[in-house]
Amino acid sequence: NAGVMQNPRHLVRRRGQEARLRCSPMKGHSHVYWYRQLPEEGLKFMVYLQKENIIDESGMPKERFSAEFPKEGPSILRIQQVVRGDSAAYFCASSPRTGLANSPLHFGNGTRLTVT
Amino acid sequence: RKEVEQDPGPFNVPEGATVAFNCTYSNSASQSFFWYRQDCRKEPKLLMSVYSSGNEDGRFTAQLNRASQYISLLIRDSKLSDSATYLCVVNAEYGNKLVFGAGTILRVKS
Repeated sequence: NAGVMQNPRHLVRRRGQEARLRCSPMKGHSHVYWYRQLPEEGLKFMVYLQKENIIDESGMPKERFSAEFPKEGPSILRIQQVVRGDSAAYFCASSPRTGLANSPLHFGNGTRLTVT
Repeated sequence: RKEVEQDPGPFNVPEGATVAFNCTYSNSASQSFFWYRQDCRKEPKLLMSVYSSGNEDGRFTAQLNRASQYISLLIRDSKLSDSATYLCVVNAEYGNKLVFGAGTILRVKS
C-alpha cells in the first residue's frame, strides 16, 4: 500500500521560472493538503483540496501560487515566476475523510525547491 | 499570539532520561490534537493522537488539559533514536486544517 507520493524530490529553478510540484495521495484518500516549511521554521498550511474542489486556500499567497486536484491524476501545486523566497520544502499530506478527529495526516517525502 | 506555541529547545538529555514537552494552543474550540515527529529534512510522521483522558503508547505518554489549553508529551527511558523535532499539532478554528507548532528539538546523547 503505497504512501503519499511526491515528485520531484528536489527541484531547482531560476528566478522567474515556473515550478510544478506533484502529489499522489494514499490509495483511498480523497483529501489533500499542501504545507510549506521554510528553513529552520515550522510547517505552514497552504491549501486543502478534495477532488476537483479547493476547500480552503487561506494559506496560499495571493499571487503566483495555485493548486488543483483534478478528477484524474495527482494534485499539482504550481508556482509561477519563482523568487528566492519560494525556496522551501513543500509537503503534501492526505487523509481518508473530512474532519480530522482521529484522522491524522499522512505526509509525502516532500519536494525541496531551490530557486537560484 | 501564535495558534500553537512550543519551546523550541533544544533539550539535551542523556540516554535513559525522562523528558517532557509542553505545548499551548489558542483556540479553545479545538477538538483534535496530535504529536508528530520530524527527523532532519524528512517528512513529519504521526507519533500519537492525544485524547482527553490522556493516553500512553509504550514509553510515550500524552496529556491534554483543556482548561489551560495545553498538551504535553512525556518520553521515558530516552533512546538515541528519539532524537528528532517533536511537533505539537492542533486543528484550526475553521475548516479542516491542522496547525503545526514550530517544534521542540530533542537530542539524546550517550
